[in-house]
Order: sequence, then structure tokens, then C-alpha cells
Amino acid sequence: GNSVTQMEGPVTLSEEAFLTINCTYTATGYPSLFWYVQYPGEGLQLLLKATKADDKGSNKGFEATYRKETTSFHLEKGSVQVSDSAVYFCALSDQTGNQFYFGTGTSLTVIP
Amino acid sequence: SAVISQKPSRDICQRGTSLTIQCQVDSQVTMMFWYRQQPGQSLTLIATANQGSEATYESGFVIDKFPISRPNLTFSTLTVSNMSPEDSSIYLCSVQQGGGGEQFFGPGTRLTVL
Repeated sequence: GNSVTQMEGPVTLSEEAFLTINCTYTATGYPSLFWYVQYPGEGLQLLLKATKADDKGSNKGFEATYRKETTSFHLEKGSVQVSDSAVYFCALSDQTGNQFYFGTGTSLTVIP
Repeated sequence: SAVISQKPSRDICQRGTSLTIQCQVDSQVTMMFWYRQQPGQSLTLIATANQGSEATYESGFVIDKFPISRPNLTFSTLTVSNMSPEDSSIYLCSVQQGGGGEQFFGPGTRLTVL
């Protein structure tokens, strides 16, 4: 079946550090991949997406590339800010668009 | 993307009572989803609600405990019935839009059951 495996947290980084949050997936066919962010006390916001192999999603300095050969969609940011402190969820939509799967979430804290 | 609102944003309820959560979308959508997010956890899908048909519940969730209404293409309600402290969670509604199947979420309802 389909699933998403996400890097365990919590992650604590200093401001301006490089961020990587690993995400791998298992899916049949050609899923779409997403990263969502949940700031403290808020709902989930779509951060970026990629709908086919080798696509790179990007937003607010975050990037992730859909790697079919390694079934991965790792989230990266070159220089994190305190305001990036949040929980990040990797997610997958199967190729029918009818099933959605979330990773367990990774909590990120950025300290000044 | 759709703009989604939920009411109430939070509530504190007594054991044995029921709470109805409303979800309003600013555009017509076919599928709406209800999720539960327990403290410090990921999201768990409760049910999928299509207008004009019965909601489809995921394993572990039943209609008697979580009745759902979907009267039109912009609105849905989820009721948490006969609540216990184990029902304390964030409840989120979402809609599916976009070519990639992405879902957009409401701000959530934070429920505490005493």
C-alpha cells in the first residue's frame, strides 16, 4: 500500500543553518507529493508540491525535488529563520487523487 | 486556493456532551474531508463527505460517534458525540483542489473534553 516515512524529530537548528528533512514514500504508479507546514496554534498550510518525477517544488526559500529513483521528496532550506519554527508534514496523493497519506510530522525549532 | 473557515475555533466541553463543528468553503467543492489530530500526532482521516451521499468513514470511526452532514457544495458539519477525554484533539476539515490532488485545510477546531 501507499505510505510516507518522514524523518523523526524534533529538530533544533540555529538561525541561518541549513535544513534538511527527509521524506521517502511507497506508492504505486505516479503519486503527487507535498510538504505542509503547521505553525503553532494554526492549521496546515500547503508549502510546496511536485506532481511528477524530477519536478522541484519551491516556496519561501524551501525546496524539494521529486526523486522517483530513490522514492524521496526531501525538504531543504539554505538558511532557516526563527519564523520557520513549525511542524512540517510530508504527504502523498495517489494517482487517482482519492487517497491522501501524511507522514508523522517533524517539529523544527530555530533558535536565534 | 480555497479559503476555509471553521467554527468554533476552540471549545471546552464536558464528558458525555456533543459538539458540532462547522466547515465553510468559499467555493463549491465535490469532496470534503474531516481529520483528527491528537496532541503531538499526525493527521488521521475520519471520513470523506460528498454532497448528496452518505459520508465514507475510515476504519475505527463510526457514524454514531461522528455523524457528518454535507447539505451543499460549500458546507459540512462534523459532530463529536457523547464525548470523552480521549476525544480531545484538533479537528480539521479540508477540501481537494488543484491538478495534483492537493488538499487545503481549515484552521482547525481545538477541542478539550473534561
